[in-house]
Amino acid sequence: SQTIHQWPATLVQPVGSPLSLECTVEGTSNPNLYWYRQAAGRGLQLLFYSVGIGQISSEVPQNLSASRPQDRQFILSSKKLLLSDSGFYLCAWTYGTGTGDEQYFGPGTRLTVT
Amino acid sequence: KNEVEQSPQNLTAQEGEFITINCSYSVGISALHWLQQHPGGGIVSLFMLSSGKKKHGRLIATINIQEKHSSLHITASHPRDSAVYICAVRSHFGNEKLTFGTGTRLTIIP
Repeated sequence: SQTIHQWPATLVQPVGSPLSLECTVEGTSNPNLYWYRQAAGRGLQLLFYSVGIGQISSEVPQNLSASRPQDRQFILSSKKLLLSDSGFYLCAWTYGTGTGDEQYFGPGTRLTVT
Repeated sequence: KNEVEQSPQNLTAQEGEFITINCSYSVGISALHWLQQHPGGGIVSLFMLSSGKKKHGRLIATINIQEKHSSLHITASHPRDSAVYICAVRSHFGNEKLTFGTGTRLTIIP
């Protein structure tokens, strides 16, 4: 069966510090991978998605970047965090067959920038 | 105006009541998802549908493509159903990107 992991589960970082959030998927190969952010009181917003190693699409201009160094690993990074980067970050995956698949979400990382 | 609108934003009901949560969208879609988010933040996919109706246990989801509207129903509601229910749409076939509603916070009182 497939499993998606995210870590850390919670993180408190000062403004201006770097960020690295990791997401890994087990039990499948060549998934489509997604990073979402849920700011307090707001809906989920797609930040990045990837259809393969090294292939990253950014949905909104921001202070964050994403990388996919391995097939089942997706990393969200920032060189200098802003207060507005606080939120709940979710990683998700689909089979990526292009025929309309379920999205499976990770447990999320709650980031507080102080 | 958001592409995906949900109503109500908040809903409180007594245990056993029949619950309806609505979702309207303004773009052409290939599929609509209903998701459940519990207080800890984790999200579970409840339904993915592109036409008609789906049922899973006490949950029923319907969609009317012509009217660009979907409903999520919960029969015999229970306190464990308390969660945020999120509607999301996929706007282009073959593109898995989702656009989300802001969610409906459901509280079921024993």
